[in-house]
Amino acid sequence: AQSVTQPDIHITVSEGASLELRCNYSYGATPYLFWYVQSPGQGLQLLLKYFSGDTLVQGIKGFEAEFKRSQSSFNLRKPSVHWSDAAEYFCAVGAPQGAQKLVFGQGTRLTINP
Amino acid sequence: DTGVSQNPRHKITKRGQNVTFRCDPISEHNRLYWYRQTLGQGPEFLTYFQNEAQLEKSRLLSDRFSAERPKGSFSTLEIQRTEQGDSAMYLCASRGRGNTPYEQYFGPGTRLTVT
Repeated sequence: AQSVTQPDIHITVSEGASLELRCNYSYGATPYLFWYVQSPGQGLQLLLKYFSGDTLVQGIKGFEAEFKRSQSSFNLRKPSVHWSDAAEYFCAVGAPQGAQKLVFGQGTRLTINP
Repeated sequence: DTGVSQNPRHKITKRGQNVTFRCDPISEHNRLYWYRQTLGQGPEFLTYFQNEAQLEKSRLLSDRFSAERPKGSFSTLEIQRTEQGDSAMYLCASRGRGNTPYEQYFGPGTRLTVT
């Protein structure tokens, strides 16, 4: 079965610093991978997705992610974070059978220091 | 395109009561999903509709839970005889025919608190 691991439950970075959030997945074939962001009281917003092609994908809000098949990873990066980036970030993989549902990691909470 | 909407946004109920949540997907999205998110966890799949047909249910969906999508538009999720363990955020998502596989758009969720 597909699974997603986000090793870091909570990360704190200073405003203006770079950011990398880790995501490892378990899946037999080329996966469909997603990053979502959830702000307090808000639903999940899609940041970016990967399913084929260029392994470096660009998303909204200045985020990017790199798919590395050899490491089964799909890490999210941003060169310079803003206070408004403070939120919960979820990595997800598409489960291929039936409903084509998403399987999520447990999330990484990002705190920004001023 | 007004996005996925969910009502109510918050619900507080006493143990043993029944509750019903509503989800209105993005217009013309034929696929609708329900997920449950407990504190500190990622969302977990509950059930899936394609048009009005409920095609898949998770083992998480006990017999106290029922979901419907009667006309292939909005959906309702009912929990009967609520338990404290049902306290969670219930998220609805939808996907259209033209979207990338698995790409889903989420509503703001309904937060349920069972006292």
